[in-house]
Amino acid sequence: SQQGEEDPQALSIQEGENATMNCSYKTSINNLQWYRQNSGRGLVHLILIRSNEREKHSGRLRVTLDTSKKSSSLLITASRAADTASYFCATALDTGRRALTFGSGTRLQVQP
Amino acid sequence: DVKVTQSSRYLVKRTGEKVFLECVQDMDHENMFWYRQDPGLGLRLIYFSYDVKMKEKGDIPEGYSVSREKKERFSLILESASTNQTSMYLCASSFFRAGRSAQYFGPGTRLTVL
Repeated sequence: SQQGEEDPQALSIQEGENATMNCSYKTSINNLQWYRQNSGRGLVHLILIRSNEREKHSGRLRVTLDTSKKSSSLLITASRAADTASYFCATALDTGRRALTFGSGTRLQVQP
Repeated sequence: DVKVTQSSRYLVKRTGEKVFLECVQDMDHENMFWYRQDPGLGLRLIYFSYDVKMKEKGDIPEGYSVSREKKERFSLILESASTNQTSMYLCASSFFRAGRSAQYFGPGTRLTVL
């Protein structure tokens, strides 16, 4: 079963609005990462938040992590048409397993 | 910038053929990964390698094998391609202590098995 599950599956907003995507996971993690994928392309790493961190910023991105609720959110502020993409969360388990476990993603459409 | 390249963007093969997908990274990363991506299922890990000649099964290794003879190159092999292996295949690499750092992805190979 998927360790990370994103919500919503799809999101459509107007340019300039904020976009919020959520990720829930099931087991204890070392860190959680967010990736972006433009249509038909590879994934691009956006941000990594460690289990002892609660919030992290990078440009227009803000990520929060609540380990008690096993959830994370990605906020994109002042969205642009170029932000149109799929966004995935990926968890690194605390067990030392080397690989990440990806969720099924949120498709974000930003209307110009 | 890290660069991960994959041998083909699009590939069409016939059932039963042996298929090789190659991935090369130029950042001296210890770890390399192969995923497949299918609609609604996200990315699923097939195999990964944490050193030359070392490999570990992922979540869906059946029907696949891998080879890592050189640090920069990681190959995915479909011994006898089947139609249910039609998918997007993504290669990635990361620094030592995989899972503790970002993964860098190639552009993907869209494989169609007829």
